[in-house]
Amino acid sequence: DAGVTQSPTHLIKTRGQQVTLRCSPKSGHDTVSWYQQALGQGPQFIFQYYEEEERQRGNFPDRFSGHQFPNYSSELNVNALLLGDSALYLCASSGTPNTEAFFGQGTRLTVV
Amino acid sequence: AQSVTQPDIHITVSEGASLELRCNYSYGATPYLFWYVQSPGQGLQLLLKYFSGDTLVQGIKGFEAEFKRSQSSFNLRKPSVHWSDAAEYFCAVVRSNDYKLSFGAGTTVTVRA
Repeated sequence: DAGVTQSPTHLIKTRGQQVTLRCSPKSGHDTVSWYQQALGQGPQFIFQYYEEEERQRGNFPDRFSGHQFPNYSSELNVNALLLGDSALYLCASSGTPNTEAFFGQGTRLTVV
Repeated sequence: AQSVTQPDIHITVSEGASLELRCNYSYGATPYLFWYVQSPGQGLQLLLKYFSGDTLVQGIKGFEAEFKRSQSSFNLRKPSVHWSDAAEYFCAVVRSNDYKLSFGAGTTVTVRA
């Protein structure tokens, strides 16, 4: 079992650019959530996808959008990048709501 | 307002000594409770969880946590710390009618020889 896999592991973008991060959930999981973790802070919930729909959204601007594919994998898109978007982006998958979430290793995004 | 509080930002403990990390939450009803550990630059690994039932839960790596409803707390303990336990520890909760994990700010644990 490969667990939750995220790609890429690191990337550097310029302010104003757009970025797409990818996540493959753990085998058997159909729910994917995305979190942003700024340096020295706890993860903050961005949104959750289930059955290809955004089921819940945290307090993030519309520049943050996502998608879930029929195979349950997911993408996080961030437009018009700001310096403050620099963070570790974590993907988590779960089998049913409110059961334990398994996290990937994260994507470290640096905006310069 | 909903929140998860981890009062200790940083704890230093000697190898072989006991460890206790505090976590308090402010919700009206008992949420689902979790402890995660994060090594530098890595993702989060689940140590243990509480949904209902026995208030003392056992987790991986020799960790345990006790849920105390009267204190709205879910403190994590380990009787004897190993150098490999040095990491960041996060308490998290999910309300019963919610989907998202709400995390505390984390506690950094340093283990000295």
